[in-house]
Amino acid sequence: GAVVSQHPSRVICKSGTSVKIECRSLDFQATTMFWYRQFPKQSLMLMATSNEGSKATYEQGVEKDKFLINHASLTLSTLTVTSAHPEDSSFYICSAVKNTDTQYFGPGTRLTVL
Amino acid sequence: GESVGLHLPTLSVQEGDNSIINCAYSNSASDYFIWYKQESGKGPQFIIDIRSNMDKRQGQRVTVLLNKTVKHLSLQIAATQPGDSAVYFCAENPGGNQFYFGTGTSLTVIP
Repeated sequence: GAVVSQHPSRVICKSGTSVKIECRSLDFQATTMFWYRQFPKQSLMLMATSNEGSKATYEQGVEKDKFLINHASLTLSTLTVTSAHPEDSSFYICSAVKNTDTQYFGPGTRLTVL
Repeated sequence: GESVGLHLPTLSVQEGDNSIINCAYSNSASDYFIWYKQESGKGPQFIIDIRSNMDKRQGQRVTVLLNKTVKHLSLQIAATQPGDSAVYFCAENPGGNQFYFGTGTSLTVIP
């Protein structure tokens, strides 16, 4: 198997602040990581594809200036939600690709913006 | 990868019965498939995978069947237990870093 961690697991912040979420592949290197958002009782919604050493590729409708992604190393990608608002409250999940074909997911981060 | 934010279909089964969760995939070029289990408040967990050169693969209490002719994937869970209650997603990989997810099925096990 493969282990992907996320930090923090839960965060509550005030409207207008920025929140950084880390995604780490603990026992393998991942040139590609994905960031998803998930609303209750719904499927995963892909936000962006993060490739190590290059700019992230954002899905249509996802604001790149709002959701900053940095893939600084083969084991770490970060998602920063800038100037968060209550509508950004959601469950954010990352995944890392091992051996170019299998995605392993992190445990998710619950963001609540007051 | 792609995914669609739709409300999930549901499946209820009695504890001890077998469960079958179905998934239709879209890309005939997909050659690798994965089933994930997601419990409430957690990230999806890898269950089992299958490559297109196989039509059946078994794990512990789970079996994945692949029908490439009709582009259909199923997950069978034997002797379903309350701990199996979760949302199950299938994913297809046509190569590279492209992943396409099904909408997911919410499985509820009735004790």
